[in-house]
Amino acid sequence: QSVVTQPPSASGAPGQTITISCSGSSSNIEVNIVNWYQQISGKAPKLLIHSDDRRPSGVPDRFSGSKSGASASLAISGLQSEDEANYYCAVWDDNVNGWVFGRGTTLTVL
Amino acid sequence: EVQLVESGGGLVQPGRSLRLSCTTSGFTFGDFSLSWVRQSPGKGLEWLTFITHKGFGETIKYAASVKDRFTISRDDSKGVAYLQMNDLKIEDTALYYCTRDGDQVGIAFETWGQGTQVIVSS
Repeated sequence: QSVVTQPPSASGAPGQTITISCSGSSSNIEVNIVNWYQQISGKAPKLLIHSDDRRPSGVPDRFSGSKSGASASLAISGLQSEDEANYYCAVWDDNVNGWVFGRGTTLTVL
Repeated sequence: EVQLVESGGGLVQPGRSLRLSCTTSGFTFGDFSLSWVRQSPGKGLEWLTFITHKGFGETIKYAASVKDRFTISRDDSKGVAYLQMNDLKIEDTALYYCTRDGDQVGIAFETWGQGTQVIVSS
């Protein structure tokens, strides 16, 4: 059981908007920043969002992050087939005294 | 171009040791913090350890699952990070990634290598 919880799967049609949640607690998301990573099958993960809602250069603005209380979300608008991947949230946990990753959400573009 | 290349993985028996290397290029190695993250077959990501740069005191942290068995180190003169893994267990079988943080606080695991496979089996 992970310290932060993500839904195992999500799906949407091309052009739609989907949201992936990452639920935590007062020892992680509520007090520390959240990062999001995209892992396409067979590839290394790639940083998608850092510091809750900041996009690294080169990441399309279709990807956005947000946080409220002990939950964070990744939104992907204008879904494209190349967005099919696993998405992971990561956050520092003060109780664990280390980084924790969600178990990942597999996104299917219908 | 920032590059991280892991090496040193392989097949090893339970209880034995292995040392992974992360050879880097394209940036000033001594200015950045580094982590090791692993991914078990068909599973998610697990952070193992980080070492900060000298400016942050070369602070080291470990996940509970590898504390006292794994040791991270860095050689700033060579631009290489290491992960010494002792007393390996079957559950340590995974793809091991070296990652580099960004140049601002909060940008964790900004750049990833392609990983090196470790298989622990008798």
